[in-house]
Amino acid sequence: DTEVTQTPKHLVMGMTNKKSLKCEQHMGHRAMYWYKQKAKKPPELMFVYSYEKLSINESVPSRFSPECPNSSLLNLHLHALQPEDSALYLCASSPLLRDSTDTQYFGPGTRLTVL
Amino acid sequence: ILNVEQSPQSLHVQEGDSTNFTCSFPSSNFYALHWYRWETAKSPEALFVMTLNGDEKKKGRISATLNTKEGYSYLYIKGSQPEDSATYLCAFKRGSTLGRLYFGRGTQLTVWP
Repeated sequence: DTEVTQTPKHLVMGMTNKKSLKCEQHMGHRAMYWYKQKAKKPPELMFVYSYEKLSINESVPSRFSPECPNSSLLNLHLHALQPEDSALYLCASSPLLRDSTDTQYFGPGTRLTVL
Repeated sequence: ILNVEQSPQSLHVQEGDSTNFTCSFPSSNFYALHWYRWETAKSPEALFVMTLNGDEKKKGRISATLNTKEGYSYLYIKGSQPEDSATYLCAFKRGSTLGRLYFGRGTQLTVWP
């Protein structure tokens, strides 16, 4: 299995809702990532987990809460979002090679709309 | 803020044409340069990871070169086909394996039959 899966594909939520995005990989990768992409902009890193521990938080607001229950799963819990949080959320994983060839493999993303 | 620039923003070519686009990145503290192909509604697909100055990589009709001293990479597609239509993203990594990827905005390629 060489893919990263994300569910749901689309999500519409109100500002008072609580929802979660899910990401899964079965490639034995030891690092997992959340990116956010707004229209016409490059993907921007939000969080990095390595060996199931949070390694990088790019100053993301607390209304986004990541969770890595095991090495194959990555969740992003959403609460009290704002309309400006509407974006494509991409998950990626990488094997964490010790040399510079480590490559991130991406899922297809979840398109989130906050009303 | 670290700027990764890609040009052109979009490109329309006829089937059979060869094409190339550019990725510019900071030349200091270079670690790796990645190229991805992203078709609409699909996952970004890793094409190449380039790490050494002068690197050249090839995958079928697609090839890439890297100049870390001046901070640019070229992606070439020979004999474009309609299935090559996609957005081509480059991403610069500096410092270390767990360093973040800094993406460009991409070049959107459309190949007309």
